[in-house]
Amino acid sequence: EDQVTQSPEALRLQEGESSSLNCSYTVSGLRGLFWYRQDPGKGPEFLFTLYSAGEEKEKERLKATLTKKESFLHITAPKPEDSATYLCAVQESGNTPLVFGKGTRLSVIA
Amino acid sequence: GAVVSQHPSRVICKSGTSVKIECRSLDFQATTMFWYRQFPKQSLMLMATSNEGSKATYEQGVEKDKFLINHASLTLSTLTVTSAHPEDSSFYICSPRGGSTDTQYFGPGTRLTVL
Repeated sequence: EDQVTQSPEALRLQEGESSSLNCSYTVSGLRGLFWYRQDPGKGPEFLFTLYSAGEEKEKERLKATLTKKESFLHITAPKPEDSATYLCAVQESGNTPLVFGKGTRLSVIA
Repeated sequence: GAVVSQHPSRVICKSGTSVKIECRSLDFQATTMFWYRQFPKQSLMLMATSNEGSKATYEQGVEKDKFLINHASLTLSTLTVTSAHPEDSSFYICSPRGGSTDTQYFGPGTRLTVL
């Protein structure tokens, strides 16, 4: 069973059309939940880390939220430059590696 | 954010040759280094974890004799793909961890193509 599940796999939005990406996780002890943006042929670019349920973080048009079972990445009034794959990853306790979901490929059409 | 470099960014080699990928943590000391690979349209899969000065720990299904990891200093780790085959063609990404931050940064990746 996957520990991290992202949905949808792909999302196509018109410019300005707000939406949310979902990341659900099943780990026993969450140390942190991470969101990254990845452009084709590049490494993941760090966006947010969330540590506890109820926490929210914002950066420009992006807002990440966390509950005990899932996280949402809200995109408000997206622009074509927001097109990318958004990856969610979780870290359990200690010096453990991140476990990634399969990502959501976002396309924003002008 | 932290600066992580990888070299080369892209390499094409013949089947049977070995390729070395360098990962440098430029502005913090990486006590732990994670190596991931990513196949087209798939997510990052952890290959191995290494702590500075220690042998690497490999994930199930990753051959330790094929993917040699050296983490001899706090700023440099190398991944050597020995006797590369076409199925080793992938995007290899390093991720150092250390310092006072919990944030996990990633290198820009190395695209390996084995002919």
